[in-house]
Amino acid sequence: DVKVTQSSRYLVKRTGEKVFLECVQDMDHENMFWYRQDPGLGLRLIYFSYDVKMKEKGDIPEGYSVSREKKERFSLILESASTNQTSMYLCASSLSSGFHQPQHFGDGTRLSIL
Amino acid sequence: GENVEQHPSTLSVQEGDSAVIKCTYSDSASNYFPWYKQELGKRPQLIIDIRSNVGEKKDQRIAVTLNKTAKHFSLHITETQPEDSAVYFCAASDGSQFYFGTGTSLTVIP
Repeated sequence: DVKVTQSSRYLVKRTGEKVFLECVQDMDHENMFWYRQDPGLGLRLIYFSYDVKMKEKGDIPEGYSVSREKKERFSLILESASTNQTSMYLCASSLSSGFHQPQHFGDGTRLSIL
Repeated sequence: GENVEQHPSTLSVQEGDSAVIKCTYSDSASNYFPWYKQELGKRPQLIIDIRSNVGEKKDQRIAVTLNKTAKHFSLHITETQPEDSAVYFCAASDGSQFYFGTGTSLTVIP
């Protein structure tokens, strides 16, 4: 069974801080994704990566960056956290073959920016 | 880009009744349509998916239908049980990205 592990379930940070959210998957998946989930807005894609050191912007990349130095790990970085980045963040992974394979999600990180 | 709309946003049914959730998409190039279930405080999990070369797929009490001409697909849950209570998300993929609906909160009343 695919395991996608996010480093924190809950995180509280202050405005202006640099915030790191970590995600690790154990199934050798090529694709990894970061979403934010807000009530009434569903899941919105922030960034995704289809290989080590590769990244692509999603729908809402502003204020975020990512890092994929190893295949199993995909990090989301909030360069200077702001209150409007308070949200649930979900990491996901999938096999290659483009976007025709199901995504496997982590448990999510509920991030609060004060 | 693709636009996925999901209805209704909330749905309450009596235990044993059927539930239907509908999604429409805009891009005729979309050809993969997964459905995810997210229980409160838990991760979204794939429950069923369908590809554009198939019109219907069933897995026990769950079925998905796809109408490519009308660009809509639906999730059908029969004989609902309290443990079916969750938020359900549809998604569409054109091969370049996943596009998610805004979710349907389903409540099954015992």
